[in-house]
Amino acid sequence: RKEVEQDPGPFNVPEGATVAFNCTYSNSASQSFFWYRQDCRKEPKLLMSVYSSGNEDGRFTAQLNRASQYISLLIRDSKLSDSATYLCVVDTGRRALTFGSGTRLQVQP
Amino acid sequence: EAQVTQNPRYLITVTGKKLTVTCSQNMNHEYMSWYRQDPGLGLRQIYYSMNVEVTDKGDVPEGYKVSRKEKRNFPLILESPSPNQTSLYFCASSLSASGSYNEQFFGPGTRLTVL
Repeated sequence: RKEVEQDPGPFNVPEGATVAFNCTYSNSASQSFFWYRQDCRKEPKLLMSVYSSGNEDGRFTAQLNRASQYISLLIRDSKLSDSATYLCVVDTGRRALTFGSGTRLQVQP
Repeated sequence: EAQVTQNPRYLITVTGKKLTVTCSQNMNHEYMSWYRQDPGLGLRQIYYSMNVEVTDKGDVPEGYKVSRKEKRNFPLILESPSPNQTSLYFCASSLSASGSYNEQFFGPGTRLTVL
């Protein structure tokens, strides 16, 4: 079983739609959680950290469920520019981050 | 401008010909690491460094070497490249290895093809 699992997608949604991705992690000792965004053939960039109480940044909302060991990312009012691959990232405290394979989102006009 | 640079960006080489991919950061970060990214496998860590002269293996270190003689530089060395090392490589740096200050800043990537 992979340490961090994501549905690879692609998720094809129309502009303005709300879309949600989930990510599960296997190490219950995981301490910190993040979502990174990666555009095609480019480097990943931090989108947002995920806090225990959930957090929001504009149209993006991240949630953490420690009991079920998953995190989620909700994108409201999708824009064409949101098309990218979203990487779920977990810090297990082993001095390294573990990346999921990513979920591809394609927002269509 | 705060950044991580990698060179070369693209490289096609042949089996067995030693090569080095350079990585440099100008943010005075202590933690640096190398990843490779392959379709369906995501980013996998090759090596990391907690500080100067401190390096350790990541998840897929076989066939690679690194060094950290200066804080800003963290080159990746392939002594005898093989076709299974064909991949997209990213260097990354962060203030620390874990906790709130471990946002990873990535370089632009090096696309390596080994024939």
